[in-house]
Amino acid sequence: NAGVTQTPKFQVLKTGQSMTLQCAQDMNHEYMSWYRQDPGMGLRLIHYSVGAGITDQGEVPNGYNVSRSTTEDFPLRLLSAAPSQTSVYFCASSYLKGTESYEQYFGPGTRLTVT
Amino acid sequence: GQQVMQIPQYQHVQEGEDFTTYCNSSTTLSNIQWYKQRPGGHPVFLIQLVKSGEVKKQKRLTFQFGEAKKNSSLHITATQTTDVGTYFCAGDRGGYQKVTFGTGTKLQVIP
Repeated sequence: NAGVTQTPKFQVLKTGQSMTLQCAQDMNHEYMSWYRQDPGMGLRLIHYSVGAGITDQGEVPNGYNVSRSTTEDFPLRLLSAAPSQTSVYFCASSYLKGTESYEQYFGPGTRLTVT
Repeated sequence: GQQVMQIPQYQHVQEGEDFTTYCNSSTTLSNIQWYKQRPGGHPVFLIQLVKSGEVKKQKRLTFQFGEAKKNSSLHITATQTTDVGTYFCAGDRGGYQKVTFGTGTKLQVIP
């Protein structure tokens, strides 16, 4: 059981480049989410999904796209990277009990720098 | 939109002292979760509270959920250096709505 995996661990982009951060989980969790964490700040929700084919925006969705074609995978796409997107990105997943999430399992994070 | 605030933002304590962090939501929650993040690490789940007025204990940690299900607290008795990290609450409003994390409380324990 690998849990939640994220790739890459580190990435440096130039302004304007695009890339996809990968996230996968092997626990058959319905709920998956992407957060960004800036120095000294909390976790801000970018996008989330309650199941395959269903995604919704979080607090800071601008500049990011997601899709959920399978239960296991939830990639995050940066369309045109900007220095303001320099951050640590965490993917998380959890069971749903009815319509409520249970404990979230976090991946190790991707440290992204945009120059 | 829903906001979840935590106080204090930072707390320095001498080893052996107690520590409390408070979490307040602008809306009623279905459940609240607590996480701990060590420096350089990722958040790790500690506990979930579901019922109004619920109190749960994990060794030296005591978690409470308010009667109105809008606030919560985490109390650590006799802190140890292993307690260092940032503690986050996360509120779930249910109904497939997003989980919102609090701003976090960073705990430093001075040996």
